[in-house]
Amino acid sequence: QVQLQESGPGLLKPSQTLSLICAVSGDSISRDNYYWSWIRQSPGKGLEWIGCIFDRGSTYYNPSLKSRLTISEDMSKNQFSLKLSSVTVADSAMYFCARTRGAFYYNSGTFYYYYIDVWGKGTAVTVSS
Amino acid sequence: QSALTQPASVSGSPGQSITISCSGTSSDVGGYNYVSWYQQHPGKAPKLIIYDVRDRPSGVSNRFSGSKSGNTASLTISGLQAEDEADYYCSSCSSGSITVLFGGGTRLTVL
Repeated sequence: QVQLQESGPGLLKPSQTLSLICAVSGDSISRDNYYWSWIRQSPGKGLEWIGCIFDRGSTYYNPSLKSRLTISEDMSKNQFSLKLSSVTVADSAMYFCARTRGAFYYNSGTFYYYYIDVWGKGTAVTVSS
Repeated sequence: QSALTQPASVSGSPGQSITISCSGTSSDVGGYNYVSWYQQHPGKAPKLIIYDVRDRPSGVSNRFSGSKSGNTASLTISGLQAEDEADYYCSSCSSGSITVLFGGGTRLTVL
């Protein structure tokens, strides 16, 4: 059974960097044709896709977050992580990691999203001064 | 405002059927057969219940069904049960700058 578990600090101050880790069990993050994503959910904005990592280090980001975002992986620990810099109150949300199905075409740089089949339980992040 | 439009709430009595709509454009819902639906109970993570417009993952009740017509996708729940009370979200692939879109969610109340 595939399980994903998020971890990280729940409270940050504005301008700090949010760092979260997603530990994966029951599957390998190096598996072909699977995309490992971060999604967040806030009362004001609903569900928002943040980005994903795949194919041993390739990434695809939400353009609205790209300038502040880094998603990376540690294959030795079978986990992937999110770093979001210069956070503001607007970044307060429940953050989920998830296994995603899709297809990325390198020649065009196009990512086709299919669906998210496994979600972590989520971790709450609050940004407050 | 979410990219995909869903009604904020729907309700039905046990045993009845309800349908939740998800409206998009030809660049997302209408352009791809990659519409998915998620069920979320309070305090829980979303759960995949429909993918590729109408397919159900193993273990999901056949009371849940999906369809699409033009730029609008629909989720139908038949034989409503109390346990179906939850929030439901649609999602779609998009050819826009943001390739993963979600609807704003629909709260289902079982009366």
